[in-house]
Amino acid sequence: KAGVTQTPRYLIKTRGQQVTLSCSPISGHRSVSWYQQTPGQGLQFLFEYFSETQRNKGNFPGRFSGRQFSNSRSEMNVSTLELGDSALYLCASSWSGSSYNEQFFGPGTRLTVL
Amino acid sequence: QQQVKQSPQSLIVQKGGISIINCAYENTAFDYFPWYQQFPGKGPALLIAIRPDVSEKKEGRFTISFNKSAKQFSLHIMDSQPGDSATYFCAASGVDSNYQLIWGAGTKLIIKP
Repeated sequence: KAGVTQTPRYLIKTRGQQVTLSCSPISGHRSVSWYQQTPGQGLQFLFEYFSETQRNKGNFPGRFSGRQFSNSRSEMNVSTLELGDSALYLCASSWSGSSYNEQFFGPGTRLTVL
Repeated sequence: QQQVKQSPQSLIVQKGGISIINCAYENTAFDYFPWYQQFPGKGPALLIAIRPDVSEKKEGRFTISFNKSAKQFSLHIMDSQPGDSATYFCAASGVDSNYQLIWGAGTKLIIKP
């Protein structure tokens, strides 16, 4: 079974630009969660999508948005990039989205904002 | 009440020694406590998890100890090996977090050969 894939793996943008990250979950998984990982901060939950609906949302500004398609693939968009948005963005998929189900993570997209 | 505090930030252990990482949580409604392991360039992967109805869970060289009254849980790695060098994250979840995982800040573990 193929794992979670994320594209692109690396991205360099400048302040004020917008960016779209993509995540393909494991086949059969209907839940996709997005996290921001920064050194010393652990993983901060952005949002979770299940069957094309946002089911949970973390404490991030509205510049961070996402969506999920009918094939469970998900995209995350960040508008008006700030220097502080530089981070590793991780996508995780699971069968149902409950935290009691194991989450399978992709390798992440490393975003650098200059 | 949603925080999970993890310590230490970094840890160096000799090969064959015991690595111990601690986590403390505040919300008594949390009822699921996983540990994830992350290697450089990879996403985290589930290592072991525990529910509060047991005080200890062991899988191979990895053991979670859980103290419900102290609201603490810890990961013990016995006979630590260089291949165990990674960043370890504890997490917790329950009804009050809408079943989303609340993560500790991570511990970078280095096993010296």
